[in-house]
Amino acid sequence: EVQLVESGGGLVQPGGSLRLSCVASGFSVSSNFMNWVRQAPGKGLEWVASMYSSGSTYYADSVKGRFSISRDNSKNTLYLQMNSLRAEDTAVYYCAREREWESSDLFAPPYYGMDVWGQGTTVTVSS
Amino acid sequence: SSELTQDPAVSVALGQTVRITCQGDSLRSYYASWYQQKPGQAPVFVIYGKNKRPSGIPDRFSGSSSGNTASLTITGAQAEDEADYYCNSRDTSGNHLVFGGGTKLTVL
Repeated sequence: EVQLVESGGGLVQPGGSLRLSCVASGFSVSSNFMNWVRQAPGKGLEWVASMYSSGSTYYADSVKGRFSISRDNSKNTLYLQMNSLRAEDTAVYYCAREREWESSDLFAPPYYGMDVWGQGTTVTVSS
Repeated sequence: SSELTQDPAVSVALGQTVRITCQGDSLRSYYASWYQQKPGQAPVFVIYGKNKRPSGIPDRFSGSSSGNTASLTITGAQAEDEADYYCNSRDTSGNHLVFGGGTKLTVL
């Protein structure tokens, strides 16, 4: 079964650090686009970070320089290292696999979509 | 980066058709994908590309795109379709993702 399971959330003080984990089963993290997406209480979805199969990483401006996405291929696990945490980082954090499909139209861009999501892990930044 | 704009709330009568729209410059270059989220649950992938449905998504869900606007249409809305819907695409750089603010769909 294709599945993602996040862990590592919790209560942390402002300025603190936390590392989230996302264990994949049924597919290889290293062969796919992988994303972290968060949702603050009562708010919408916000993209946080991506890691491509090539190893390239990308970050939202709101977390760049503070968060780091990585993976351990031997454990088939994606990580999000979060440093210098702020109250506004309080959210449910989801990991998601992103797939790419070739468009049926000549010269059209590929199709993308996040087809597998974990159940989320809650991070609360508060003193 | 770029933004995607959605109407905050839409309502539809049971069995009727509703369209949820998403606007943004990046949609001129990339197709949107759509996600359904019910309270306390993770998002579910419902539409991608030029009107493609993942396995298991009912055919009453469809997608379309024109210019800078993507649309999700539910034909014959059911009570279980009441949820928040989010659009998503690559931004104009192609390397970052962006979500719309979400549309809360109420089925009356």
